[in-house]
Amino acid sequence: QQQVKQSPQSLIVQKGGISIINCAYENTAFDYFPWYQQFPGKGPALLIAIRPDVSEKKEGRFTISFNKSAKQFSLHIMDSQPGDSATYFCAASFFKRAGSYQLTFGKGTKLSVIP
Amino acid sequence: EAGVAQSPRYKIIEKRQSVAFWCNPISGHATLYWYQQILGQGPKLLIQFQNNGVVDDSQLPKDRFSAERLKGVDSTLKIQPAKLEDSAVYLCASSLVTGSSPLHFGNGTRLTVT
Repeated sequence: QQQVKQSPQSLIVQKGGISIINCAYENTAFDYFPWYQQFPGKGPALLIAIRPDVSEKKEGRFTISFNKSAKQFSLHIMDSQPGDSATYFCAASFFKRAGSYQLTFGKGTKLSVIP
Repeated sequence: EAGVAQSPRYKIIEKRQSVAFWCNPISGHATLYWYQQILGQGPKLLIQFQNNGVVDDSQLPKDRFSAERLKGVDSTLKIQPAKLEDSAVYLCASSLVTGSSPLHFGNGTRLTVT
């Protein structure tokens, strides 16, 4: 119930195209949904995040779409660039107990943007 | 601001040996996390500290893993004895507070157990 299922496992997109990564969850207690970007040899870095009280959040070329009833959320990367080639993780967190928010990550999507 | 520092970057040990990883979080960050990232998977939380107290270690294999955060600043994670399945990248992260405060990750320690 604490899993976050992410798809696809890998994605190849032409430069300038739209990259779409999807995630689904079961636990309705999740109340914060961040996306992290990870380059080889580096730690993940926060890209964008959303709370379930909004259906969409946009920051530059990155947009999160959130469907609370379907328990799904997705990351859209517009005008994808070779520099966007990285592994993307969706995640979800919930309040576990005092001082503890449990953040659960999906398995990741390896995005390759080809020129 | 300086990021989360981790050392060593790489470590190769034989099974049944012990190993220790070190992490120095971003200055002022009260919350510190250790994650395990197995190749091809997302990070999995091992332990979370709030200042120098443990708030969540439910996924830490306590028979072989231990962690401490003395003085509420830097932290060490130890594995003793190591098993082949412990081969992974061990990531340290810190955040200003818990909850929706962004996690800042270090670059990790890649452990190979042979």
